[in-house]
Amino acid sequence: DAGITQSPRHKVTETGTPVTLRCHQTENHRYMYWYRQDPGHGLRLIHYSYGVKDTDKGEVSDGYSVSRSKTEDFLLTLESATSSQTSVYFCAITPSLQGYDNEQFFGPGTRLTVL
Amino acid sequence: AQSVTQLDSHVSVSEGTPVLLRCNYSSSYSPSLFWYVQHPNKGLQLLLKYTSAATLVKGINGFEAEFKKSETSFHLTKPSAHMSDAAEYFCVVSDPYSGGYQKVTFGTGTKLQVIP
Repeated sequence: DAGITQSPRHKVTETGTPVTLRCHQTENHRYMYWYRQDPGHGLRLIHYSYGVKDTDKGEVSDGYSVSRSKTEDFLLTLESATSSQTSVYFCAITPSLQGYDNEQFFGPGTRLTVL
Repeated sequence: AQSVTQLDSHVSVSEGTPVLLRCNYSSSYSPSLFWYVQHPNKGLQLLLKYTSAATLVKGINGFEAEFKKSETSFHLTKPSAHMSDAAEYFCVVSDPYSGGYQKVTFGTGTKLQVIP
């Protein structure tokens, strides 16, 4: 357990509404990530952060934005939710980035349904 | 370029028989390789990792994997399947950290079914 929580754990929303998902970690790790998981695609990176106010895009960032105003919180916002954003969203952290020692640890996930 | 291919989307074994989940990778560097397990409605848990030391890596719950550079493979094995092994397994490749963004690529997953 890397001390990662996600909220909410489940959410149903309507097309066109904004949605914010929260990832919270308790161990002051520098690197945090947001992924989405869809059948047949594995996990795909949406955005990542390498420090407070330092974020960058991943491979599927369209329609998403992120913010990190504190080390412990990484927020993912769907600016105007669409049905294609129905997915399970995972937050991850990397405790150490030293050469090969770079495994990620994951939160429990948020299941989002956009109607 | 970095990629990972899990050769089977579903594998079915009988309880007590061996498990083999296959993974091939491509990387421009000498990569780190990982296997994660995901039980239904749960997050991903690290099973084991290869980080350029011993080519045979032992993980949790009796799983192990062998890094074969000549075959660009990192197959996951277990001598005897248990009912609790039923889950989805992900093979992951990562470039070694060299500053900046560490690219990580996930395979599409293999669902393991264990038959009593």
